[in-house]
Amino acid sequence: GAGVSQSPSNKVTEKGKDVELRCDPISGHTALYWYRQSLGQGLEFLIYFQGNSAPDKSGLPSDRFSAERTGGSVSTLTIQRTQQEDSAVYLCASSFRQVNTGELFFGEGSRLTVL
Amino acid sequence: RKEVEQDPGPFNVPEGATVAFNCTYSNSASQSFFWYRQDCRKEPKLLMSVYSSGNEDGRFTAQLNRASQYISLLIRDSKLSDSATYLCVVTGAFGNEKLTFGTGTRLTIIP
Repeated sequence: GAGVSQSPSNKVTEKGKDVELRCDPISGHTALYWYRQSLGQGLEFLIYFQGNSAPDKSGLPSDRFSAERTGGSVSTLTIQRTQQEDSAVYLCASSFRQVNTGELFFGEGSRLTVL
Repeated sequence: RKEVEQDPGPFNVPEGATVAFNCTYSNSASQSFFWYRQDCRKEPKLLMSVYSSGNEDGRFTAQLNRASQYISLLIRDSKLSDSATYLCVVTGAFGNEKLTFGTGTRLTIIP
């Protein structure tokens, strides 16, 4: 499809396990963002990429969280040793950054539940 | 102080009424401002940008007050389909591409 694709759409894991969440942005979009949203809460910024580099990773909650982007395209968000407070919907968004239109195109999210 | 603050609501408004939301931001160097809309269990989508001179898009009017650091959204002749959560979004200073979202204002239009 032409939109932002995220996988898995749902992930249930046990506390202490590692998880990987994948984001496939819209083709040609140079900027890629990760946010998370807990139930009834706003979007919490995690990290953004411009190409393969991450100018701002200030939102990553702890060193258990890491993200990478390869080939200026697909990004993976990795959470090590998951905790129950990591349960949330992880949203990826991309934008075409020639002009700062502020229009982010979001994927449908990966819902993570840590038991 | 949060970077972006909104009244969470809920706002329950009869169909056809006019409703307004405000949002305040803390970083005076913020460059760009937007309103997003998020339907229940869906991803956010851009509703409109907010320009210094104010701007309209049909029934929606957005305004920016840089001196007081607030943004507003006005919805006229509200429709049932306007029921959603409205998110105020602010960028950083020039060159900072991070977009900070408010927690959102929940609006329900009542028939």
